[in-house]
Amino acid sequence: EAQVTQNPRYLITVTGKKLTVTCSQNMNHEYMSWYRQDPGLGLRQIYYSMNVEVTDKGDVPEGYKVSRKEKRNFPLILESPSPNQTSLYFCASRTIRAYEQYFGPGTRLTVT
Amino acid sequence: AQTVTQSQPEMSVQEAETVTLSCTYDTSESDYYLFWYKQPPSRQMILVIRQEAYKQQNATENRFSVNFQKAAKSFSLKISDSQLGDAAMYFCAYRNPNNAGNMLTFGGGTRLMVKP
Repeated sequence: EAQVTQNPRYLITVTGKKLTVTCSQNMNHEYMSWYRQDPGLGLRQIYYSMNVEVTDKGDVPEGYKVSRKEKRNFPLILESPSPNQTSLYFCASRTIRAYEQYFGPGTRLTVT
Repeated sequence: AQTVTQSQPEMSVQEAETVTLSCTYDTSESDYYLFWYKQPPSRQMILVIRQEAYKQQNATENRFSVNFQKAAKSFSLKISDSQLGDAAMYFCAYRNPNNAGNMLTFGGGTRLMVKP
C-alpha cells in the first residue's frame, strides 16, 4: 500500500530535550516536506527536500532541522524544543511534477 | 508572497442541503494550481478537488464542485447533498509549479458542521 508514515503519532516532551520525528514514504517520491498546523493558520511549510541531500527552508524553519540521506526518509529534528513548537506536524511527499501530495497521518507534539 | 484567505472560520449545513465554502488568494502568477483538502477528526489530509488555473472549466468530483473566478482570485467549494461524513475542517490551498520549493500555501481553514 502506497503511504507516508510518521512516528511517533503523539509525543509529550519537555523544553530543551532533543527529539526526532521520523517520516518515511514507499512511493519513490523525490519531493518531501514538513508542515505544522496551528489553529487559524492552516498548514505552514517548515522544510522541504527536492531529492537526496537537497533540502531548503520553507516559511517557518526556525528551531527545526531536517536531513535527507535516503530517498524514502525525511526526519524532522528539534534540537531544543520550546513550548511554541507545540503543534500538529505533517510530513508529505509527491513526485516533482505531480498535482497530488500524499500526507502522513500527523504527529501531535506537546512541549511543556 | 502568495496568501490564501478563508473568511469563514465555521459553517453549518443541514443534511442533504448545499453549502459553499469561500476562498480567496493573492498571486501575480498566471500558472498555478488550487486545491481543497478535507481534514476529518482522524486528522488525515484528504484531497477533495483540484483546479488548474489555465482551465476555464470548473472542476467537479461527484457532490463537490468549485467556482473558480480567476480574475477575482476566488475559488469556492460547493458541497451538494451534504452528508454527515462531510463534517470536517476544509482547507483551501495554492501551489505555483514554477517556484523553487513548489510548496502548498494553505488558508486558515473552515470548520464545517453538518446537522442531521
